[in-house]
Amino acid sequence: DVKVTQSSRYLVKRTGEKVFLECVQDMDHENMFWYRQDPGLGLRLIYFSYDVKMKEKGDIPEGYSVSREKKERFSLILESASTNQTSMYLCASSLVSRGYEQYFGPGTRLTVT
Amino acid sequence: ILNVEQSPQSLHVQEGDSTNFTCSFPSSNFYALHWYRWETAKSPEALFVMTLNGDEKKKGRISATLNTKEGYSYLYIKGSQPEDSATYLCAFIRSGGSYIPTFGRGTSLIVHP
Repeated sequence: DVKVTQSSRYLVKRTGEKVFLECVQDMDHENMFWYRQDPGLGLRLIYFSYDVKMKEKGDIPEGYSVSREKKERFSLILESASTNQTSMYLCASSLVSRGYEQYFGPGTRLTVT
Repeated sequence: ILNVEQSPQSLHVQEGDSTNFTCSFPSSNFYALHWYRWETAKSPEALFVMTLNGDEKKKGRISATLNTKEGYSYLYIKGSQPEDSATYLCAFIRSGGSYIPTFGRGTSLIVHP
């Protein structure tokens, strides 16, 4: 079974802090994604990566950056957390040969106070 | 930004009822259409990956159809059970681009015993 893990299920940070969210997948998938999910807005893509050291902006990249130094690991960075970044963050990976089916991690519920 | 619409937004049914939801998407440049089930406190999980016009997929009491020419897919649940309560997401993947999914906002299904 494909497994996607995220470093924390719940996180509370203060405004202005730098926040790192880590995601690791164990099935050698080329593509990795970071989404945020907010009530009534569905899943919105923040960034994605199709290879090591490659990254592309999604629909809402402002206030975020990412890092992919190894194929299995994709990190989301909030350079200076703000209260409007309080949300559920989901990481996912996908494989070309499976029609880009997304495999999701358990999510990180981030609260910025 | 691609337009992927799901209806209804939410649905309450009684145990044993059959139900269906709709996902509409652009009718050009089709690559794939995914359906996911997202239960509370869990990660979204793929139900179906559909790639051909006229595709019909089935998993137990859940089935899906696909019409790429007119840009819609239906998800059917026969004899709903309380454990079917979840949010059902569809995701459209366009050909010729980055092959990243665009998600609808989901249909929230609650099945009352």
